[in-house]
Amino acid sequence: NAGVTQTPKFQVLKTGQSMTLQCAQDMNHEYMSWYRQDPGMGLRLIHYSVGAGITDQGEVPNGYNVSRSTTEDFPLRLLSAAPSQTSVYFCASSSQTATNEKLFFGSGTQLSVL
Amino acid sequence: GQQLNQSPQSMFIQEGEDVSMNCTSSSIFNTWLWYKQDPGEGPVLLIALYKAGELTSNGRLTAQFGITRKDSFLNISASIPSDVGIYFCAGQSPGKLIFGQGTTLQVKP
Repeated sequence: NAGVTQTPKFQVLKTGQSMTLQCAQDMNHEYMSWYRQDPGMGLRLIHYSVGAGITDQGEVPNGYNVSRSTTEDFPLRLLSAAPSQTSVYFCASSSQTATNEKLFFGSGTQLSVL
Repeated sequence: GQQLNQSPQSMFIQEGEDVSMNCTSSSIFNTWLWYKQDPGEGPVLLIALYKAGELTSNGRLTAQFGITRKDSFLNISASIPSDVGIYFCAGQSPGKLIFGQGTTLQVKP
């Protein structure tokens, strides 16, 4: 099993550009989520999904869109990148939806917006 | 919204020393967790706590779930260089995990 796979590992964007961060898991987990990590702020939840076709907002959803068309994939879209979105992004999944504490994280995408 | 306050923010210790860090919240959580993040990687679960007052060990790591359900601490005994990283506490809320700001640990050989 590969676990949670994120691509790309690194990305540089110009303000206003759009892009999609990819996340895939091969553990048949129902629950998937996206976090961003910023210095001194820990991990903040952007969006999450408890199953295919279901998504919900986390703490910091503005500027990001998600969709969950399959159990395996949970892409994160930035429609018009802003410098404030410079961060490290982590995708995570869990087999538990009601008690989703045992999160498996990907290795992260480091995004810089100039 | 719910917030977790984790302290200290950073620690620089000598190999062999014991380490203690804690996490407090204004909200009650039913589950507390501790994760460790190695440089360049995503966080990995260390310990999960499910009951108020629970004390759980995982090797040299010991964590406790506070009686009030609003706090937790993590102890690392006899630290070694590979303990270096960022340690996060997290509280489980319906549909989501809320993370603390993290404690950066550096160990001097």
